[in-house]
Amino acid sequence: GEQVEQRPPHLSVREGDSAIIICTYTDSATAYFSWYKQEAGAGLQLLMSVLSNVDRKEEQGLTVLLNKKDKRLSLNLTAAHPGDSAVYFCAVRGTGGYKVVFGSGTRLLVSP
Amino acid sequence: GGIITQTPKFLIGQEGQKLTLKCQQNFNHDTMYWYRQDSGKGLRLIYYSITENDLQKGDLSEGYDASREKKSSFSLTVTSAQKNEMAVFLCASSRTANTGQLYFGEGSKLTVL
Repeated sequence: GEQVEQRPPHLSVREGDSAIIICTYTDSATAYFSWYKQEAGAGLQLLMSVLSNVDRKEEQGLTVLLNKKDKRLSLNLTAAHPGDSAVYFCAVRGTGGYKVVFGSGTRLLVSP
Repeated sequence: GGIITQTPKFLIGQEGQKLTLKCQQNFNHDTMYWYRQDSGKGLRLIYYSITENDLQKGDLSEGYDASREKKSSFSLTVTSAQKNEMAVFLCASSRTANTGQLYFGEGSKLTVL
C-alpha cells in the first residue's frame, strides 16, 4: 500500500524565516494531496489541498509544491511567525481506494 | 460551517474493559474516519465508512469494532483495552470519499490503568 515519509521530524526557525517540510510517497497514482496543522491538544486543521494535476498552489503565506516525477510534496511557510508553531502533517489519497495516509508529522517551532 | 464532536474527551479504563468512543458531525458529510495517534507519531487509520451503512477496515482494525449508526454518527469500540495503553483517537469526516479533505474532531484521549 501507499507509504508516506515526512521530514524533518523537528524544525526550528526564527520569526520571518522560511520553513520547508517535505513528504515523499510511493504510489504514482496518488490523486489528492493535503497539508494539516495540529496545535497542542487539538485535532488536525486542513491547511491546503491540491489535486495531482496541480504543480504549485499558494495561499496566505503557504506554498505547496508537487513534483510528480520525484513523488515529492512540499509545504513552504514563507515568513513564519510564532503562531505557526505546531505539528504539520502531509496526507495523500490514491486513486485506487479511499484511504487517506498521513506522514509522521513535523514539529515546527518558530522563535521570536 | 460545521463541527465534529467527539465524546468523551478523556476516557480512563481498566485492562480488558470494552470502551466506546462516539463521534457526531453536522457537516452532512458522507464519509467518516477513525484514526489513532500515539504520542509524537503520525496517524494510523483504524476504520472508515464511505457512506451510511458502509464499514471498511483500516490498517489498525484488530482489537477494534466500529459502527456507523446513521449518517451523522460513527462510533469506535476498543474491544479489550490493553494495560498501559495511551493514545488519542481522532474522528474525521469528508464530504465524499473522493475529496481527501478531512475535517477533524478535537480527539478523545484514552488511558488504560
